[in-house]
This record gives sequence, structure tokens and C-alpha cells, in this order.
Amino acid sequence: KAGVTQTPRYLIKTRGQQVTLSCSPISGHRSVSWYQQTPGQGLQFLFEYFSETQRNKGNFPGRFSGRQFSNSRSEMNVSTLELGDSALYLCASSLGRGPLEEETQYFGPGTRLLVL
Amino acid sequence: LAKTTQPISMDSYEGQEVNITCSHNNIATNDYITWYQQFPSQGPRFIIQGYKTKVTNEVASLFIPADRKSSTLSLPRVSLSDTAVYYCLVGLNRDDKIIFGKGTRLHILP
Repeated sequence: KAGVTQTPRYLIKTRGQQVTLSCSPISGHRSVSWYQQTPGQGLQFLFEYFSETQRNKGNFPGRFSGRQFSNSRSEMNVSTLELGDSALYLCASSLGRGPLEEETQYFGPGTRLLVL
Repeated sequence: LAKTTQPISMDSYEGQEVNITCSHNNIATNDYITWYQQFPSQGPRFIIQGYKTKVTNEVASLFIPADRKSSTLSLPRVSLSDTAVYYCLVGLNRDDKIIFGKGTRLHILP
């Protein structure tokens, strides 16, 4: 079974631009979560989508948004990029069976974003 | 989500058994304990998950005492390729924000 895939793997943007990152979950997984990882802050949760609905959200500004499609693929968008947005953006998928089920998340390789 | 405490870093030698302990004093009744491994510039990789006592797979073992307030990840006979950051997570209940701590930076020496 194919793992989580993310595109693009690397991206260079300038301040003020916007960027869209894509994530394809493992087949059959309905939940997709996004994380930002930086050397200073570590892994930080951005948001989670399940059945095309945002189910959980971390403490990030509104410039960070996402969506999920009917095939469970997800996109993340960052508008008005800032230098501090340079990071590794990780996507993780899980089955998403229900609120009390213990879910194992499987991560993709990430997208390395550099903002100049 | 239960807060976890792990050592910031550990060193060991090839062929040794490495044990990384994670403290999670406020673990909830229905919380599982999950460990991930992460190499630089890669996404975390699931290693093992458990609820109580001992769990073993082809990669590692997870020891959980009866009070479940801590857990120990055991890596048998480590090699240089086990050099990575190891994260302990407790509870992935969907109502909570998922928080990764700083993890344990394991450095295997030849």
C-alpha cells in the first residue's frame, strides 16, 4: 500500500507570496492532519480534516488554511508569506474511525518551504 | 492531550540496547502511548503503540508499568542508522490538539 505523498518536496517563495501544498493520504484513510516543523518550535499542529470538514485546529493565524476533497486528498494554503513561515510542512493521515478511537498517524516526507 | 517529558538527548554505542523513558503523569484512562522516530528532513515514522504491560514488534519493545504514568521504549542492538529523534505521544483523542514534545535526540556512536 502506498504511503502518504506530498507535493512539492521543495519550494522557494518570497515574502508576500502565497503557496499551496498538497497531500495524498494512504488509501482508505479519511483523516488528514497538517504540521509545521521548525528547529526552534519543533512539530506544531496546524489542523485536521475529516470528511472534507476541518475537525481540529491549532494556534496558527488565519493566513494558514486548508481543505480536503471528497477523495480525502488535502491541500494547505499559506497566504502573505513571512520569513518565519520557512519550515518543513508535514502531512499525516489516519483512518479517522471516530472520536474515541486511538488513531495512528502516518506521516509523509514533508514539503520544505523556504521564504526569502 | 497528556503532557510528556523525555530526556533531551542520549548517546549510545552500536550493538547496545537503548532504553528511552517518557513520563506522562496525567495520562487518561483511554489514552494509548505512541512512539515515533524522525530522521532529519523526513516525516516522523510510527514505531510502536501500546496501552499497558509490554508490546513488542520487529523494531522495538514498549514497556508500560501498571500505573501507566511512564513508558520505556527499548531498541535492541542499535546501529548507526538508529540515530534520530524519538517522540513519545500520549493520547490521540480527536478532541485534543495533537502536540509533539521536543523528543529525545538519540546519537549512536561507532
